[in-house]
Amino acid sequence: SQQGEEDPQALSIQEGENATMNCSYKTSINNLQWYRQNSGRGLVHLILIRSNEREKHSGRLRVTLDTSKKSSSLLITASRAADTASYFCPESSAGSYQLTFGKGTKLSVIP
Amino acid sequence: GAGVSQSPSNKVTEKGKDVELRCDPISGHTALYWYRQSLGQGLEFLIYFQGNSAPDKSGLPSDRFSAERTGGSVSTLTIQRTQQEDSAVYLCASSLGAGGVQPQHFGDGTRLSIL
Repeated sequence: SQQGEEDPQALSIQEGENATMNCSYKTSINNLQWYRQNSGRGLVHLILIRSNEREKHSGRLRVTLDTSKKSSSLLITASRAADTASYFCPESSAGSYQLTFGKGTKLSVIP
Repeated sequence: GAGVSQSPSNKVTEKGKDVELRCDPISGHTALYWYRQSLGQGLEFLIYFQGNSAPDKSGLPSDRFSAERTGGSVSTLTIQRTQQEDSAVYLCASSLGAGGVQPQHFGDGTRLSIL
């Protein structure tokens, strides 16, 4: 099925460390979005990177996109306990309105 | 500010009963989505509404599931004759336009438990 696949499935780090999550996708995209989901809550949109962009920053977040490898990475710098959540990179095919979600990366930041 | 609101937040019901879940999208958002999330899984697309166009129902798992959106705003998802496999969190999202290019804004979901 077409969906953004996140890797690793789970990641545990100490507070203050950086966290890197990866995403692979299969289709041709217009853009790629990253979302965060805290336990028991809905998803929160973090950042959108367009297919003609290679890197984008937002606060402590840095996203890269390599369309030749159909991959993206999300880096969270100086992690905090509040960053503990699941992170998703849903796939959206060019011309499609649908977001197709994988299982996400579950990040645990230990105080 | 007003985000996407879903009700109820939790629903426990017996197998075979009908349930109705409600979603209030952000005012002015023309696109509305329903997703289902089972424990530890990603989101499964159910249905999409865009303005006055016919909804995309391609994700509905069976004919026991239906949804409507009245007046281009509030939406209800109805599950008839509930089964235990319907137990999940049902999430609603809205966006300004086509979700592939616009961020989706999610509610906190309705946690549905079928006994």
